[in-house]
Amino acid sequence: ETGVTQSPTHLIKTRGQQVTLRCSSQSGHNTVSWYQQALGQGPQFIFQYYREEENGRGNFPPRFSGLQFPNYSSELNVNALELDDSALYLCASSHGLAGGETQYFGPGTRLLVL
Amino acid sequence: QQPVQSPQAVILREGEDAVINCSSSKALYSVHWYRQKHGEAPVFLMILLKGGEQKGHEKISASFNEKKQQSSLYLTASQLSYSGTYFCGTEPISGYSTLTFGKGTMLLVSP
Repeated sequence: ETGVTQSPTHLIKTRGQQVTLRCSSQSGHNTVSWYQQALGQGPQFIFQYYREEENGRGNFPPRFSGLQFPNYSSELNVNALELDDSALYLCASSHGLAGGETQYFGPGTRLLVL
Repeated sequence: QQPVQSPQAVILREGEDAVINCSSSKALYSVHWYRQKHGEAPVFLMILLKGGEQKGHEKISASFNEKKQQSSLYLTASQLSYSGTYFCGTEPISGYSTLTFGKGTMLLVSP
C-alpha cells in the first residue's frame, strides 16, 4: 500500500451537479497530482499542487478546480458535470518538484455521471 | 504529447519473456513505469532518469535511450502476477515533475 487515500471510493451524480473528491497524501509528501482515467486509457494529467499552490495544469476546462491544504491533503472539484466526466479519478503524491520523483497513486474515486 | 506504447497487447505463457516499448517526441528527463490491475490503482515499478540512474523494482529491468527518447521494459520469466496493463509516464525536461502517460500495454500471462 502506498499510504495515499482517496474518498469516496464510488460516486454517482447527474449532469449539471457538482462534485468534490478528496485525497490524503503519503506522509512526508508535499506534492499532489490529479489524473482522470477513462475506461481503457492511461491516466490524463489534470493539475498538480505543491505546497498549496497550483503548479501545472493539463488540458482541462476551468470547471475542474482544486485545493491543497496546509497538511498537503487535496481536493478536486468539478462543476457542471458532463457525461464525459465519468471516469476513475486518481491522485498521486510525491515529494517536491525535482525531476525523477516517484508518484504514488491512491486507489481512486470512480465517478459515474448520469 | 502522449507517448506511444507498443505493443498494445501481449499474451504470454508463464515463464516466457516480453518487452514493452515507450516512445516520446519530447526531450525527456525521466520515464516512469507502472502496472495497473483491473479495478486497482497504478503501482509504481521503475523510474529511468536522464544520465542513466534507475530506481525501482528488483525483478524488472528497463532501458532508456536518451537520444531516441525511447524506453523499454523487460519482463523475464513472467509470472501469473505480471498480468495487468503497463503504462509508461514521461517527464519532459521542461516539465515540473508532471507525467504524461501512454495508452498502456495489456499483458496476460497464462499458466
